[in-house]
Amino acid sequence: SAVISQKPSRDICQRGTSLTIQCQVDSQVTMMFWYRQQPGQSLTLIATANQGSEATYESGFVIDKFPISRPNLTFSTLTVSNMSPEDSSIYLCSVDRASYYGYTFGSGTRLTVV
Amino acid sequence: AQKITQTQPGMFVQEKEAVTLDCTYDTSDQSYGLFWYKQPSSGEMIFLIYQGSYDEQNATEGRYSLNFQKARKSANLVISASQLGDSAMYFCAMGLNRDDKIIFGKGTRLHILP
Repeated sequence: SAVISQKPSRDICQRGTSLTIQCQVDSQVTMMFWYRQQPGQSLTLIATANQGSEATYESGFVIDKFPISRPNLTFSTLTVSNMSPEDSSIYLCSVDRASYYGYTFGSGTRLTVV
Repeated sequence: AQKITQTQPGMFVQEKEAVTLDCTYDTSDQSYGLFWYKQPSSGEMIFLIYQGSYDEQNATEGRYSLNFQKARKSANLVISASQLGDSAMYFCAMGLNRDDKIIFGKGTRLHILP
């Protein structure tokens, strides 16, 4: 399965600032997915990033708040903009290799907004 | 719309016993896949097992098996001979084959008692 390097692993940020999270995959993939996991909750899909086109956002998530870049088939970034304490969560990227092998996840970015 | 339901927020099981984690799903699609993930306290998402909707046999991976009952729309995870290291959060997830994303249930926190 794919190996994903995600960074930063954690950060503490001031409200009103932005943080960019990076995911690097060790092989080319068509789709990359960004999830948010709020404290004690399940994973919620933020958006799907396809190389060469704009990301597709799920209901409740907007591009101005969570801009995503996908410059090539191995890399993507998610920016959390104008942060508030409610944005404190774990953010994870994921890719699909083949269903039998499951979707691979990055190690996550644990974000705390103060 | 597709939906995953995990009705057991938490479970306590004695070490070496078998444990069944419940998962029901809802979709009108005929072609889909079901996944189980383990999330230990470290936060990483570990893929355990996959079942395709057209697979006639229940999936098995080592101590993990998936009890797939298509008519009931259930995909329960069975862990045989539980170990202390099995203590973690377990998520059931589903993806439609016409789509690339997967969605998650709320999860079940499993505690293995020595």
